Amino acid sequence: DTAVSQTPKYLVTQMGNDKSIKCEQNLGHDTMYWYKQDSKKFLKIMFSYNNKELIINETVPNRFSPKSPDKAHLNLHINSLELGDSAVYFCASSQEVNQPQHFGDGTRLSIL
Amino acid sequence: EDKVVQSPLSLVVHEGDTVTLNCSYEVTNFRSLLWYKQEKKAPTFLFMLTSSGIEKKSGRLSSILDKKELFSILNITATQTGDSAVYLCAVPRRTSYDKVIFGPGTSLSVIP
Repeated sequence: DTAVSQTPKYLVTQMGNDKSIKCEQNLGHDTMYWYKQDSKKFLKIMFSYNNKELIINETVPNRFSPKSPDKAHLNLHINSLELGDSAVYFCASSQEVNQPQHFGDGTRLSIL
Repeated sequence: EDKVVQSPLSLVVHEGDTVTLNCSYEVTNFRSLLWYKQEKKAPTFLFMLTSSGIEKKSGRLSSILDKKELFSILNITATQTGDSAVYLCAVPRRTSYDKVIFGPGTSLSVIP
């Protein structure tokens, strides 16, 4: 059973398009996250959701918007994609912020 | 400003060697420090440390925390090629909003 699953695994699209990445966790965790990992492998947090409430919002462009229909899902929607958005995006979850996080396998986003 | 620093950033060793990876931190309201291993896909949890001086062990891996000097080390003895990965140190921060700060990672390559 996959604990944290995200789809798609790969996403290749053109500049200016709008795309979404889906994430689901079956661990019953209260907190979910989205991270961006760039080519230098630096893992940077973008958003965190706790019980459907956005509790942090890093200085990411407002083209990025997290959407959480319920506690088990946190989707990432990106408008007007730019070349600099190319990266691997990871979804993760934990019971609370101090606890170990479980990560999805990542979505590699490539902008043409 | 909160930060997590890791050293070295990259390391190449031969099988059988012992390595020590370092993580130092300056984070508001420290409560725990976590180590993750990232191979090709998602980071996977290794250790969570909350108390100084108590060593956590898992097979050939061990880790310890020094809350006075604000650092942690991860030791790997008798390294194997399967230990090749990026090792990430993460420190959650609890303030008016929750945040997890990841270090830049140490890229370890173990050659036969």
